[in-house]
Amino acid sequence: ETGVTQTPRHLVMGMTNKKSLKCEQHLGHNAMYWYKQSAKKPLELMFVYSLEERVENNSVPSRFSPECPNSSHLFLHLHTLQPEDSALYLCASSQANSFSGNTIYFGEGSWLTVV
Amino acid sequence: QKEVEQNSGPLSVPEGAIASLNCTYSDRGSQSFFWYRQYSGKSPELIMFIYSNGDKEDGRFTAQLNKASQYVSLLIRDSQPSDSATYLCAVRAGNNRKLIWGLGTSLAVNP
Repeated sequence: ETGVTQTPRHLVMGMTNKKSLKCEQHLGHNAMYWYKQSAKKPLELMFVYSLEERVENNSVPSRFSPECPNSSHLFLHLHTLQPEDSALYLCASSQANSFSGNTIYFGEGSWLTVV
Repeated sequence: QKEVEQNSGPLSVPEGAIASLNCTYSDRGSQSFFWYRQYSGKSPELIMFIYSNGDKEDGRFTAQLNKASQYVSLLIRDSQPSDSATYLCAVRAGNNRKLIWGLGTSLAVNP
């Protein structure tokens, strides 16, 4: 139990489907992140929310749409994805501006397969 | 040159030995350094972080930082088969700067 909970753990979707990934953190943190992890690539930061404001969007295609309704919840809305979007999607949280240098804690991840 | 570089491995050590994992980074302004462990099919979990030059110990794990040479290493003493995993190095230039990740080193501890 990491204090960051992601659902669903596994998702298979067609290219025309719309689905959402959900993340909830119970650590009292004020920053939340979406990362993508693909084979043979370093972790890719997708989005960062700090105090519920999006502070970073790393050239992610518009078929990925994040939403952060409050400091404990984060969503990633998925629409018309491509097979190359199949990956492990990791939610993480941290306490921004903390002494520990924004140490981030990951959820267990959502395995996404686009068919 | 990659920003954070790790030997992909696999690094194979016998049970009870010391495993040494290395990470080099290119940004001389980097200030905080993190080691994460990732078991196959699981998410990364934090092992430890280090800011100051020298060694930092936590149980069987020791992180070593040398800012002049721009490397950080992780030593695992008395390696156990349960330590078999991929170890990710991450580096941040400042408190609000993005974490830069290495590709990870795969460690296999053989009984």
